[in-house]
Amino acid sequence: SQQGEEDPQALSIQEGENATMNCSYKTSINNLQWYRQNSGRGLVHLILIRSNEREKHSGRLRVTLDTSKKSSSLLITASRAADTASYFCAPMAAGNKLTFGGGTRVLVKP
Amino acid sequence: DAGVIQSPRHEVTEMGQEVTLRCKPISGHDYLFWYRQTMMRGLELLIYFNNNVPIDDSGMPEDRFSAKMPNASFSTLKIQPSEPRDSAVYFCASSWGPSGNQPQHFGDGTRLSIL
Repeated sequence: SQQGEEDPQALSIQEGENATMNCSYKTSINNLQWYRQNSGRGLVHLILIRSNEREKHSGRLRVTLDTSKKSSSLLITASRAADTASYFCAPMAAGNKLTFGGGTRVLVKP
Repeated sequence: DAGVIQSPRHEVTEMGQEVTLRCKPISGHDYLFWYRQTMMRGLELLIYFNNNVPIDDSGMPEDRFSAKMPNASFSTLKIQPSEPRDSAVYFCASSWGPSGNQPQHFGDGTRLSIL
């Protein structure tokens, strides 16, 4: 298993703006997953992108994956106050262990 | 659809006491994971089960920690004796199939405080 490193550590934006966060990892992967954690709650799965995919959408979320650079990005468009949360990436190599980095804390101000 | 259910949500106890955390995974899921989250160390995988069998317990910090899964619908994480440094939020998660291909579904955690 390997750990993803999210960047930036924290992000503050106005409601309606877009938020972008990045994830870097070190070795080859089968897929990469993004999770969200609201304060006081468990993690919620957002998107799984496979190593042969370059971009994936889910509602207001867009995830890209560049395996040559070993990086991924998560874009939240038209942010809402409810998007305030921590966001974690989890790159997956072989095996069943998800290893999380420190996450990106996103604050969406009304 | 009921999600992963953990109990208790909060536990406060004194050092040296035994603590038992409980988890009911989503019906039909064959993988179950226990995590610990702290400010200092982030989210750490402690142990995971496949079809009720422990597969990897390399993340269990020491012998004071033990986990069991007597059947497909129930798992426990036990700390005996507890110490203040065990204070953390403990999460249980389950998935259908290997995490390499399937998302994990998390409970809302047990916030444990050891005084």
